[in-house]
Amino acid sequence: DAGITQSPRHKVTETGTPVTLRCHQTENHRYMYWYRQDPGHGLRLIHYSYGVKDTDKGEVSDGYSVSRSKTEDFLLTLESATSSQTSVYFCAISEGYEQFFGPGTRLTVL
Amino acid sequence: GIQVEQSPPDLILQEGANSTLRCNFSDSVNNLQWFHQNPWGQLINLFYIPSGTKQNGRLSATTVATERYSLLYISSSQTTDSGVYFCAVTGANNLFFGTGTRLTVIP
Repeated sequence: DAGITQSPRHKVTETGTPVTLRCHQTENHRYMYWYRQDPGHGLRLIHYSYGVKDTDKGEVSDGYSVSRSKTEDFLLTLESATSSQTSVYFCAISEGYEQFFGPGTRLTVL
Repeated sequence: GIQVEQSPPDLILQEGANSTLRCNFSDSVNNLQWFHQNPWGQLINLFYIPSGTKQNGRLSATTVATERYSLLYISSSQTTDSGVYFCAVTGANNLFFGTGTRLTVIP
């Protein structure tokens, strides 16, 4: 257990509303990641962080922003949610080269 | 990015049967992981195996980095093995996933 929690676990929202997902870790890992999982695509990287206030874009970053003001928390924000952002979102941490994943957040944008 | 292909896409087994899942990747990598996503959506780490062979109970994995493929072996399959198996490789700071093999084990 890598000590990763995500909140909320499920959310339904409407198009155009802002949404923030939270990832919390308890073991002081430097690297944290946000992925989305869609049918037929496996998981794809949205953004990652390599330290407090240090973030970078991944493969599918358009429409998303992130923030990391504390080591233990990594926030993913959808400024104006769209239906194409309906997905399951996973947070991950890395220990060396190995990544471990949180339980996921299922987001539905109507 | 690195392309990761998994085969077969779907597999149905009778309980007790053995299987081999394959992962091909397009470029040299410094990390390869196998995951099992259970029917509840949880991603479970199976192996971190950039090269060589590892075994954990009924599961084993082999990666031949020079030939850009990895194999996951499941022996004496059980219904609890059902789910989706993902291979993922690292390039830079990105973990690239294949689209998975969906395994169904029938009692």
